[in-house]
Amino acid sequence: DAGITQSPRHKVTETGTPVTLRCHQTENHRYMYWYRQDPGHGLRLIHYSYGVKDTDKGEVSDGYSVSRSKTEDFLLTLESATSSQTSVYFCAVQIGTGDYEQYFGPGTRLTVT
Amino acid sequence: AQKVTQAQTEISVVEKEDVTLDCVYETRDTTYYLFWYKQPPSGELVFLIRRNSFDEQNEISGRYSWNFQKSTSSFNFTITASQVVDSAVYFCALSGPKNYGGSQGNLIFGKGTKLSVKP
Repeated sequence: DAGITQSPRHKVTETGTPVTLRCHQTENHRYMYWYRQDPGHGLRLIHYSYGVKDTDKGEVSDGYSVSRSKTEDFLLTLESATSSQTSVYFCAVQIGTGDYEQYFGPGTRLTVT
Repeated sequence: AQKVTQAQTEISVVEKEDVTLDCVYETRDTTYYLFWYKQPPSGELVFLIRRNSFDEQNEISGRYSWNFQKSTSSFNFTITASQVVDSAVYFCALSGPKNYGGSQGNLIFGKGTKLSVKP
């Protein structure tokens, strides 16, 4: 257990509204990640962070922004939600600073109507 | 570019059968890392194994075993004597060496193989 929580766990929102998902960890891990999971696509990286205020884009970053003002929190924001952003969103942390595996949070199911 | 291919979209077996999940990868890195994750019907992602490119020794953990072959760029996963609780989607993933602050080291996932084990 890497001490990761995600909130909310489920959310339904309307097209055009802003949405923020929160990932919280309790173990001071440096690296944090946001993925989305869609049928037929596996998991795809949206954004990641390698330290407070240090973030970078992943494979599918368009329409998303992130912030990390504290080690323990990594926020994912959909500036103006679209139906194509309906997905399950997973946060992950990497244990340690070398080349190690990632551990995932429980996921957030987001539906954009 | 890095790529992971899991050609088997779905596999169905009867309990106690052995089953192998295939994973083929592409990378230009000389050092890289391979992973397997399990996603049961409850939805969480569970880490199973990490393998370094410079260690081709196969690994066994209970009913699970992994066969890493650099010559064929494959990292296959075998479940021996499958059980209903093994029913899940299994993901293979690849990363290069981490360059602190850079994009190297991020996981590239295959699309997953859904395994159904019937009693």
